[in-house]
Amino acid sequence: SQQGEEDPQALSIQEGENATMNCSYKTSINNLQWYRQNSGRGLVHLILIRSNEREKHSGRLRVTLDTSKKSSSLLITASRAADTASYFCATGVEQGGSEKLVFGKGTKLTVNP
Amino acid sequence: EPEVTQTPSHQVTQMGQEVILRCVPISNHLYFYWYRQILGQKVEFLVSFYNNEISEKSEIFDDQFSVERPDGSNFTLKIRSTKLEDSAMYFCASSELVWAEYTNTEAFFGQGTRLTVV
Repeated sequence: SQQGEEDPQALSIQEGENATMNCSYKTSINNLQWYRQNSGRGLVHLILIRSNEREKHSGRLRVTLDTSKKSSSLLITASRAADTASYFCATGVEQGGSEKLVFGKGTKLTVNP
Repeated sequence: EPEVTQTPSHQVTQMGQEVILRCVPISNHLYFYWYRQILGQKVEFLVSFYNNEISEKSEIFDDQFSVERPDGSNFTLKIRSTKLEDSAMYFCASSELVWAEYTNTEAFFGQGTRLTVV
């Protein structure tokens, strides 16, 4: 698998349900970040979790990180139709004294009203 | 709230033409990036830029591409001779660099420029 692979590729749920998206990666990381992209729009930063953190919350978002399994999950609780978007995980990778983000292919979330 | 702005939002160009995509990063940020996203595919890193020089570039960023910070505010991506496969959404991003053992960079992205090469 590639660095920063999300699963599932697509997820369709009803409003009010929880949505869980997973991300796996291969190399060591400084941090892992989740971004959201509405169709055809820019990327919006949701949450950053450092490699020494295990869980982080922000509003209805909960992110976990398991560095031993090289995986992360994004949980959106009590989903709303407005949460419909693509969600990408991106790993912050240090290379040659700089850091860059390596994105996965994303999970397309559809929340049905 | 400060934001990264990109212009134009959509550019159509003929194959072989040169295009310049423009970005205004957040003013106190020091690190700048270009990413691209071919329709339906993942976001790919192109290049990072710090202290008026390229820090890192990907395999995609070949001799057809160049970046410049012509003044204190703009950050541009130039494609010298566009190909059909350059059609994509191009995102500019910036981050505030604090170098430490772990930089934990949070990048702020612009809304993107959709480049269509015909």
